[in-house]
Amino acid sequence: DSGVTQTPKHLITATGQRVTLRCSPRSGDLSVYWYQQSLDQGLQFLIQYYNGEERAKGNILERFSAQQFPDLHSELNLSSLELGDSALYFCASSVDVLQETQYFGPGTRLLVL
Amino acid sequence: AQSVTQPDIHITVSEGASLELRCNYSYGATPYLFWYVQSPGQGLQLLLKYFSGDTLVQGIKGFEAEFKRSQSSFNLRKPSVHWSDAAEYFCAVVANNNDMRFGAGTRLTVKP
Repeated sequence: DSGVTQTPKHLITATGQRVTLRCSPRSGDLSVYWYQQSLDQGLQFLIQYYNGEERAKGNILERFSAQQFPDLHSELNLSSLELGDSALYFCASSVDVLQETQYFGPGTRLLVL
Repeated sequence: AQSVTQPDIHITVSEGASLELRCNYSYGATPYLFWYVQSPGQGLQLLLKYFSGDTLVQGIKGFEAEFKRSQSSFNLRKPSVHWSDAAEYFCAVVANNNDMRFGAGTRLTVKP
């Protein structure tokens, strides 16, 4: 158990819909990262927040957005969903902004029908 | 372009045999280097990491990795594989722009 929690575990929705994925970092960690893992794209870094502020951006679509709240939990919002958005979405956390050691949550499996 | 390459998509070894998983990177400077393991249906677990110093790094579960600057490689090794090591292994790098890049992964099968 990494100490990072993600909800929900599974999510099934339809194209065009919007979903929100939630992540609670390990106690004391200020940085939160989001990743997408799919069969065709592999594991891709989406975005990083540090203490409430966006710090780094990867291959995140404009339809996707994230935020980190004062209590340090984070949400990833996916809108206008397409079939290709079906994937495993991981959250990770680390103590500081340097992305030194990240601890991964168990992931949210999203299926878009 | 910055990239991380794991040349072997799938490797099969016998239990008790030695293992080496390859990882090559293409970055301007020495990045931070990591190896993660992912068991089926699970998240990623950090095995080991290299930032600087001794180029031979010891990790958990008996794994080690060696950084070779001249070859831009960070190969993962284990002297004797156990059946529980069957999983997917990812090499990852973090470069100056704070962007973490993963290799495509190597799936390890362990034969009894």
